[in-house]
Amino acid sequence: GDSVTQMEGPVTLSEEAFLTINCTYTATGYPSLFWYVQYPGEGLQLLLKATKADDKGSNKGFEATYRKETTSFHLEKGSVQVSDSAVYFCALSESKETSGSRLTFGEGTQLTVNP
Amino acid sequence: EAGVAQSPRYKIIEKRQSVAFWCNPISGHATLYWYQQILGQGPKLLIQFQNNGVVDDSQLPKDRFSAERLKGVDSTLKIQPAKLEDSAVYLCASSFSWVEQFFGPGTRLTVL
Repeated sequence: GDSVTQMEGPVTLSEEAFLTINCTYTATGYPSLFWYVQYPGEGLQLLLKATKADDKGSNKGFEATYRKETTSFHLEKGSVQVSDSAVYFCALSESKETSGSRLTFGEGTQLTVNP
Repeated sequence: EAGVAQSPRYKIIEKRQSVAFWCNPISGHATLYWYQQILGQGPKLLIQFQNNGVVDDSQLPKDRFSAERLKGVDSTLKIQPAKLEDSAVYLCASSFSWVEQFFGPGTRLTVL
């Protein structure tokens, strides 16, 4: 079945540091890929998405590129801020007749940014 | 635009009791999802509705969990009887298209 593997956390960085959170996936077809963010006490929010190979999703300074050859969708940001502290989830969705469009999530990576 | 609403936000019960969660999706969203998020893990889909029909309930523990979506709008998820391992955050999400799901704030359930 489909699965998503994220780098183990937690990750602690200083403000303005470079961020990479690794994500790899296993899927039978051609999934769409997502990064969701969960701020403390809040629900999941879509951060960015890519629906086909070589697409780059970007939002709020975060970027991720859909790499079919390496089955990866790594999240990057050039300069993190304290306000980026949150839990980040990589996810995939395969739209299928039998399973609709369920999201399969990774375990999540806790990011803490210190001033 | 109002987001996905869920209630209650928190619930504490004892094992073997029953509990129900309510979700009101974004207006016009035909698809509604319930996810279970155990502490330290990613959310796992329990059930997916398209209007008031079930699309996927393959991961729903049907001996104790049930869900309904009457009239294709609001939805209720019930657990009866609850077990300790049901302690989790229950997330409701809705979508207009298959590309993006919008999540509610969740209900944190503690089973003692």
